Amino acid sequence: SYELTQPPSVSVSPGQTASITCSGDNLGNKYACWYQQKPGQSPVLVIYKDNKRPSGIPERFSGSNSGNTATLTISGTQAMDEADYYCQAWEGSTGVFGGGTKLTVL
Amino acid sequence: QLQLQESGPGLVKSSETLSLTCTVSGGSISSSLYYWGWIRQPPGKGLEWIGNIYYSGTTYYNPSLKSRVTMSVDTSKNQFSLKLSSVTAADTALYYCARRVTTSGMGFDYWGQGTLVNVSS
Repeated sequence: SYELTQPPSVSVSPGQTASITCSGDNLGNKYACWYQQKPGQSPVLVIYKDNKRPSGIPERFSGSNSGNTATLTISGTQAMDEADYYCQAWEGSTGVFGGGTKLTVL
Repeated sequence: QLQLQESGPGLVKSSETLSLTCTVSGGSISSSLYYWGWIRQPPGKGLEWIGNIYYSGTTYYNPSLKSRVTMSVDTSKNQFSLKLSSVTAADTALYYCARRVTTSGMGFDYWGQGTLVNVSS
């Protein structure tokens, strides 16, 4: 079965750039999505089709996908961005989530 | 504004069948533009895709759960449902329903608040 691998945790200082990676076999040949989940809340889609932002998602969120790795980049990270982030892709009609990355802003 | 609301028993006995319903408001489940999905999250753990259903009743299931999962849709009630049979403690989780646009590369853009299901022995 297809698997997506994320680092368990990433730390970033306020105002700096955070990068969260998601690795999978030939992931660059699929589309990647990213979700943000804050404690006690439902996930929120922040990136779809590798690098598209839904309405209402700040411009500081961006994405890329090439080779075996998709990357979520948060520029000028703010305290409010502290959350768990999940990548997700479709292997045919089967959905796959990464294990999640806890982003700490300190 | 589209809203999704999960409902169902919060406690299911081991070996029995978990049954949940998602009620969609503010939009039609019969639209050809969307899939409707179930995703779960065990306490303190990550997200797991369970499956998607189209308004026509076409289903797509996680291979690891396929033998135990049944999804259905009731367009007259604007609802879709999940049944998971032979549950064990490993099925204890927060269960979310969500919407996904059918276009390739799209994610789940609307989510319910989730409903916690505990499996007891």
